[in-house]
Amino acid sequence: GESVGLHLPTLSVQEGDNSIINCAYSNSASDYFIWYKQESGKGPQFIIDIRSNMDKRQGQRVTVLLNKTVKHLSLQIAATQPGDSAVYFCADSPRAGGTSYGKLTFGQGTILTVHP
Amino acid sequence: NAGVTQTPKFQVLKTGQSMTLQCAQDMNHEYMSWYRQDPGMGLRLIHYSVGAGITDQGEVPNGYNVSRSTTEDFPLRLLSAAPSQTSVYFCASSYNIVQEKLFFGSGTQLSVL
Repeated sequence: GESVGLHLPTLSVQEGDNSIINCAYSNSASDYFIWYKQESGKGPQFIIDIRSNMDKRQGQRVTVLLNKTVKHLSLQIAATQPGDSAVYFCADSPRAGGTSYGKLTFGQGTILTVHP
Repeated sequence: NAGVTQTPKFQVLKTGQSMTLQCAQDMNHEYMSWYRQDPGMGLRLIHYSVGAGITDQGEVPNGYNVSRSTTEDFPLRLLSAAPSQTSVYFCASSYNIVQEKLFFGSGTQLSVL
């Protein structure tokens, strides 16, 4: 079936650099996209979300970019800090209607390691 | 405001044993769900509920039962544990199914021997 996937399973950066985590999705009916951060031994924590009627959304030090033409989602973290080290998941859910509505499909995750 | 609370944090079972994973939220969220997380598989939806008295199956429901008698609680029952159910289990909730922004609990690490 269709699923959300990630290009890179691991990413290592230096403290202060900008990080970009990529995600490819295959479901053309996807309407809602979300990024989560999961630290070791903890549950996923919401970072930022975006709907398909937008191509960019900014939060505090984070930006999500959505390219619907190539079905690509990215999370940019500015001035990455050691506390940003975690696994980052993208997920999507389809438009209203159908049995999949409101059900998030998660990617496998990218491990981000930030070196001091 | 505690958010989503899961108990226990760790559990070891023998094959065939039964147990209930507890989940409670104090945010008055309508939507609650259970996921399991396995290496290389991402988070997979087991069961979900859109309100008290309403439950439905997710992607991997076999071997699990749920009920939703109150808005706050959404327990997950394993009737006869199997080694294939060794996993980390997360409960999550959101204000309603349309919002989609899920708040997760801290997880239950379950081992079935």
